[in-house]
Amino acid sequence: GQQVMQIPQYQHVQEGEDFTTYCNSSTTLSNIQWYKQRPGGHPVFLIQLVKSGEVKKQKRLTFQFGEAKKNSSLHITATQTTDVGTYFCPPSGNTPLVFGKGTRLSVIA
Amino acid sequence: DVKVTQSSRYLVKRTGEKVFLECVQDMDHENMFWYRQDPGLGLRLIYFSYDVKMKEKGDIPEGYSVSREKKERFSLILESASTNQTSMYLCASSLTDVDSPLHFGNGTRLTVT
Repeated sequence: GQQVMQIPQYQHVQEGEDFTTYCNSSTTLSNIQWYKQRPGGHPVFLIQLVKSGEVKKQKRLTFQFGEAKKNSSLHITATQTTDVGTYFCPPSGNTPLVFGKGTRLSVIA
Repeated sequence: DVKVTQSSRYLVKRTGEKVFLECVQDMDHENMFWYRQDPGLGLRLIYFSYDVKMKEKGDIPEGYSVSREKKERFSLILESASTNQTSMYLCASSLTDVDSPLHFGNGTRLTVT
């Protein structure tokens, strides 16, 4: 399946700071999905992006799909301790999904 | 709500043992997957299945096999467990649509001594 490079691999933020993780591909993606895995838990589906330039929001989370459909980002505004976990962005449209290493977010209270 | 159930949360086995990891889903999903997760390596796909009695190798199938005799059940088999198979194993299922999200089980942490 298609793979993306996700950066950063780790991020530590103070509670209340913003956080962004980026997923970049060398090829055009069909769609992209985002998952969150809490420490000790399993990945949970957050959202899927399909259209070029698409922006979707879930409360403090903003997901974006690039115009060329080669990159995507997740931005969290004013992080909270509940945001702690690892975020993955597997390209979809071609099963099976390739998850990669994700971005691990730590939030310091 | 979709439920994916893995038979054991924690498992300890000895080197050379044959190990069965069971996964059952209750939403009539066609697709089922086995991943393993290791620190620093992310989730890696071992095997997957799009239908009963059908199986496909993922990225790291060596040392593993699978069985899917019924639609709801997907078993991962370690033919002869080795210490490098100590890991967290995650089962997932999805509908047949290629864009369908994956629903994961809680995982089985396997330790091979």
